[in-house]
Amino acid sequence: AQKITQTQPGMFVQEKEAVTLDCTYDTSDQSYGLFWYKQPSSGEMIFLIYQGSYDEQNATEGRYSLNFQKARKSANLVISASQLGDSAMYFCAMRDLSGGSNYKLTFGKGTLLTVNP
Amino acid sequence: AAGVIQSPRHLIKEKRETATLKCYPIPRHDTVYWYQQGPGQDPQFLISFYEKMQSDKGSIPDRFSAQQFSDYHSELNMSSLELGDSALYFCASSLGRWTGPYGYTFGSGTRLTVV
Repeated sequence: AQKITQTQPGMFVQEKEAVTLDCTYDTSDQSYGLFWYKQPSSGEMIFLIYQGSYDEQNATEGRYSLNFQKARKSANLVISASQLGDSAMYFCAMRDLSGGSNYKLTFGKGTLLTVNP
Repeated sequence: AAGVIQSPRHLIKEKRETATLKCYPIPRHDTVYWYQQGPGQDPQFLISFYEKMQSDKGSIPDRFSAQQFSDYHSELNMSSLELGDSALYFCASSLGRWTGPYGYTFGSGTRLTVV
């Protein structure tokens, strides 16, 4: 079974500063994918960044980067130069890629990020 | 680009009524997933379909049923609604079981309120 743990229920950051949102995971699968999603107050689920378990380099997408430490089973999201519009709930999620399942996503409990002006 | 379309966006029902939520996947996507997100909760997997066949089942109550039609759209039917069914219901679609991170796309959700 897969499990995602996000230990920070809420985080605050000043505008233009960087912030790290923590995510640890537990799985017995050899091949898996890790995702980060942003959910603003309007409710939609917005894909931010992806890291495959066999990817050797950390993923980056614009201001988002994923600090992937496979041995520690962590996949922290780093947001650089925070903007007011980054205020939202952030979910870390995992998906099995090893076959034999339907590739559903397992989510963490989320971290509510507030960016202060 | 076309996205996953969910209808309705908002729905208010009374206890013990029925509700039908619809999901129209991205064109050519053949796999649909349903998730339920209660207030302040993380999304929970309900059920999925691949090529019109149920492929996996999560924590879906027996009062709920779902199917995928020949045009690949899916409907989630909910009967004997309870107050605890009030949630945001997401549909996601993909082409096949796996097409990379960008191939798993969420709709905007249907917010169901049971009163």
